[in-house]
Amino acid sequence: EPEVTQTPSHQVTQMGQEVILRCVPISNHLYFYWYRQILGQKVEFLVSFYNNEISEKSEIFDDQFSVERPDGSNFTLKIRSTKLEDSAMYFCASSFQGQGNEQFFGPGTRLTVL
Amino acid sequence: GESVGLHLPTLSVQEGDNSIINCAYSNSASDYFIWYKQESGKGPQFIIDIRSNMDKRQGQRVTVLLNKTVKHLSLQIAATQPGDSAVYFCAETQTGANNLFFGTGTRLTVIP
Repeated sequence: EPEVTQTPSHQVTQMGQEVILRCVPISNHLYFYWYRQILGQKVEFLVSFYNNEISEKSEIFDDQFSVERPDGSNFTLKIRSTKLEDSAMYFCASSFQGQGNEQFFGPGTRLTVL
Repeated sequence: GESVGLHLPTLSVQEGDNSIINCAYSNSASDYFIWYKQESGKGPQFIIDIRSNMDKRQGQRVTVLLNKTVKHLSLQIAATQPGDSAVYFCAETQTGANNLFFGTGTRLTVIP
């Protein structure tokens, strides 16, 4: 069964450093998403991406964040200058259709900012 | 520093019993709802969904009920098994939107 994959599973970085989290969505999916989950809290939407551009983003997704689909298979989330409060699980998701259709989640990347 | 997290509602059931997990959603314009299961250290896993033109939908051992009048969603798990132990989230969205809004979650513990 196809699944969303994410690398790395755990990333440790120093405050102020840039990180890139990587995702490979399900191959025939057209919509891609990033969510985060701070330890013990609910899953929060960050951004959705379709047709090589951001279609929607939350207040969390400020200028420090960016997303890219550098090739036909990868979808990345970059945090330019990490802060302590960026420590969280980051989940990538994809869906074949957007606008209220099932999203499939990856296993997540645990980001720890020291 | 101390991290402050949400205190998750918890539900403990005996193996073989039925479980009912409830969720109050926030946006009356939401028209698509999903229940996700999240096991420790893993991403949310789709369980079942329902659109607002329905009030009940059944899957394998699971049933979702939707009450739009009071903005309430429930997930019923029949014959609960130890493998059902996880945190369960409801999520809502609406046609035209690309994001999902997750609820706070309920931790289900199945006692063998």
